[in-house]
Amino acid sequence: GENVEQHPSTLSVQEGDSAVIKCTYSDSASNYFPWYKQELGKGPQLIIDIRSNVGEKKDQRIAVTLNKTAKHFSLHITETQPEDSAVYFCAPYQAGTALIFGKGTTLSVSS
Amino acid sequence: NAGVMQNPRHLVRRRGQEARLRCSPMKGHSHVYWYRQLPEEGLKFMVYLQKENIIDESGMPKERFSAEFPKEGPSILRIQQVVRGDSAAYFCASSPQEPISGYTFGSGTRLTVV
Repeated sequence: GENVEQHPSTLSVQEGDSAVIKCTYSDSASNYFPWYKQELGKGPQLIIDIRSNVGEKKDQRIAVTLNKTAKHFSLHITETQPEDSAVYFCAPYQAGTALIFGKGTTLSVSS
Repeated sequence: NAGVMQNPRHLVRRRGQEARLRCSPMKGHSHVYWYRQLPEEGLKFMVYLQKENIIDESGMPKERFSAEFPKEGPSILRIQQVVRGDSAAYFCASSPQEPISGYTFGSGTRLTVV
């Protein structure tokens, strides 16, 4: 099965700084790479995703980059704000299965 | 267009009782997934269902746990003879087709076993 690792497990930044979270996976058949954000007491929410035929995707302050050769993809958040504080999960996907989530990265943005 | 609806939000059960968790997927979504989240931990996959069909139950404990998604009505996750270790948040997600189309999660059911 898929082995998913996220780094770092916790990340503290000052408001306005950038944050990068990396996700490595083991199965080269994975072809869909989403990132989810979970705020305290809520369910996870999809914030950005990328397909395997694309190297980078950007949506305002959030971007995802994919390196299929090295089997990792990263979440980039620029100009961080306190409301970005949450737990972020990656979930590389291969056809025929459900999403398998990484253990999560707790991002804290201090003002 | 309501999102994924889970109920109850909070459920307290005594050891040995049964817990029934309900999940109504988004309109038009035919795929349902259940995940368990322990405090300070990630989301553990439990089961993947389509209408009247279990696609993947590799994450379900072998005993006491069962899930269904009938032709009519919500998906049900049932835990029989609950134990303290079953205390967790249980999340349901749905998607219109396969997971590659993206999940929408519900707000979860927080089960406490006393």
